[in-house]
Parts: sequence; C-alpha cells; structure tokens
Amino acid sequence: QVTLKESGPGILQPSHTLSLTCSFSGFSLSTYGMGVSWIRQPSGKGLEWLASIWWNGNTYNNPSLKSRLTVSKDTSNNQAFLKVTSVDTADTATYYCAHTDRTAFDYWGQGVMVTVSS
Amino acid sequence: DIQMTQSPASLSASLGETVTIECLASEDIYSNLAWYQQKPGKSPQLLIYYANSLNDGVPSRFSGSGSGTQYSLKINSLQSEDVSIYFCQQNYDSPPTFGGGTKLELK
Repeated sequence: QVTLKESGPGILQPSHTLSLTCSFSGFSLSTYGMGVSWIRQPSGKGLEWLASIWWNGNTYNNPSLKSRLTVSKDTSNNQAFLKVTSVDTADTATYYCAHTDRTAFDYWGQGVMVTVSS
Repeated sequence: DIQMTQSPASLSASLGETVTIECLASEDIYSNLAWYQQKPGKSPQLLIYYANSLNDGVPSRFSGSGSGTQYSLKINSLQSEDVSIYFCQQNYDSPPTFGGGTKLELK
C-alpha cells in the first residue's frame, strides 16, 4: 500500500526559503521507474506541477519558477524534499507530493498548507 | 508549455444523469492524458490514465476517451459521491500541465 505524507512549516515570511518533506511508504525511490513529484494548489484554484525526482536521481523543475526550486531524496529513509527559495505571497498554497511512474500521479499525499505572510 | 483547456468550467446535473467533461490540448499529446477527481477538502485522486485506462478501484461508470488534442471524461448514472472538481493533465511533454478544472454539482 502506497502512502505519502507532506510536512512543512505552515507559515513563513516573504523572502525566506520553504522546506518541505515528503515521507512515503509502499515503494522505494531506488526502484527503476519510480518517481516523486511535487504539485501545489492555491486555495480555490488549479494544480501546478513544480518538480519531480526519479529513481536514478534525475530531477526536473518547472521552468516557470526558474531556479527557485531544489528537489532531493533520501532513499534510505523513504523521503523526498522540496526547497523553494525567495518565497512571496504568490507561493501560498497547499503543497502535495505524489508518486509517479511516468503515466500519471497515481498516489497523492494529504497535502500541507503553506502560508507566506509577514 | 502545452495548454490544457477544460470545458465546461462548471456543470450541474441530476442523479442518474450522464455527464461529459471535455479537455482540449494545445497540441497532440498522443493519449498521454490523465483525469483526476478532487472532492472538497481532499487531495486529487487518479481516475483515468492513458486517456482511457481505468485506475484500480475506480467505478466502471467512469470512462475516458479521445485522441490527438481532444479528450473527454464520461460519468454514467451520476451518483451523489461524484460531486467533485475534475482535472485533466497531460503527461506527454514537460512540464506536465493541468486543465483548469470542472466543478460538478448536483441539480
């Protein structure tokens, strides 16, 4: 059974760095074809893919966020991480991590709400 | 980026009715399309992948079809638990992109 759970700071100030953790079970990020993606959703709005990390360490970021994103993993502890630098109010959203095997995002975490506010 | 346009943005239907949601891609995505259901206050759940493959555990009243740039999600015999927002998503080219969503309500 695949499960994922996001954790993060809840609230942070503009210009700071957002650090999120995705803790998962039921699969390994060292297994061929496995990936974890990060997707966010501002309240009442649509979904935006942010980044993905794959079993082989390859990472892909959404160019719309330029170089603000860093995604990494700790295979031994079944965790994936997302850092977003220089946050502002536009980064306020629910952030999800999701398992992907290239066909779709087939398992999602419950999401963690992040508010950027001074 | 490939743009995904969903229609309608909102939809009101009666129990037992059949509803169809459309998704138009800005270029050919070769059936690399998924549909998700998001119930209020919950995370999205995968319904359909590769345009017409039903995800495990999804009721058979849901079906997907389409090719090229045009895709659709059909819900037969609408149930109360189908009240949700539905999103399409292309997985053909990076970055993966989502449609704006269709809010389905009961009439």
